[in-house]
Amino acid sequence: GAVVSQHPSRVICKSGTSVKIECRSLDFQATTMFWYRQFPKQSLMLMATSNEGSKATYEQGVEKDKFLINHASLTLSTLTVTSAHPEDSSFYICSAWVPWYNEQFFGPGTRLTVL
Amino acid sequence: GENVEQHPSTLSVQEGDSAVIKCTYSDSASNYFPWYKQELGKGPQLIIDIRSNVGEKKDQRIAVTLNKTAKHFSLHITETQPEDSAVYFCAASQMDSSYKLIFGSGTRLLVRP
Repeated sequence: GAVVSQHPSRVICKSGTSVKIECRSLDFQATTMFWYRQFPKQSLMLMATSNEGSKATYEQGVEKDKFLINHASLTLSTLTVTSAHPEDSSFYICSAWVPWYNEQFFGPGTRLTVL
Repeated sequence: GENVEQHPSTLSVQEGDSAVIKCTYSDSASNYFPWYKQELGKGPQLIIDIRSNVGEKKDQRIAVTLNKTAKHFSLHITETQPEDSAVYFCAASQMDSSYKLIFGSGTRLLVRP
């Protein structure tokens, strides 16, 4: 199957700082990637759809100025949490749509802790 | 928009028994229904999926059934093993348009040895 990686796997930061999370497709080109947030013992909530070369499409209630998404290449999408606060602490997961498999492949996730 | 409900939230079974998890969806335009297994601290992994043109699909001990009229689909795991213990999520999507996955709330399955 297709492989999606995320970096870093864990990050701890101070309140008010910005954190960038990378999502890479390792063995394929991904025109469409997705970003999810998962709070402890809860489901995955779609934050935004990231399309290569265009602006991301955010889900209702997700602040686009706080969660900056950049999909500048066919193998890399980044999520930047700006001015992070403790309530942004969560598990962030990306996925990539792979047309020839006709399914989404998920990354291993990034655990963000904001102190 | 699409809404997916999943039951039960927790399920405990004896090793060797069967486990059934059920989901309902609201949007009749949804045509793709995957099931994911998530272990602690990891991303979800696809275990089986079904598309709206079939009613049942099986892969060894795992099967999924779909009732489009009633808008519900179910995951069946037979001969459960302790390594099946995890959180399982159902999801629904429209594969010909947005490809967005809308997830159910999850089921924590515990298989007792």
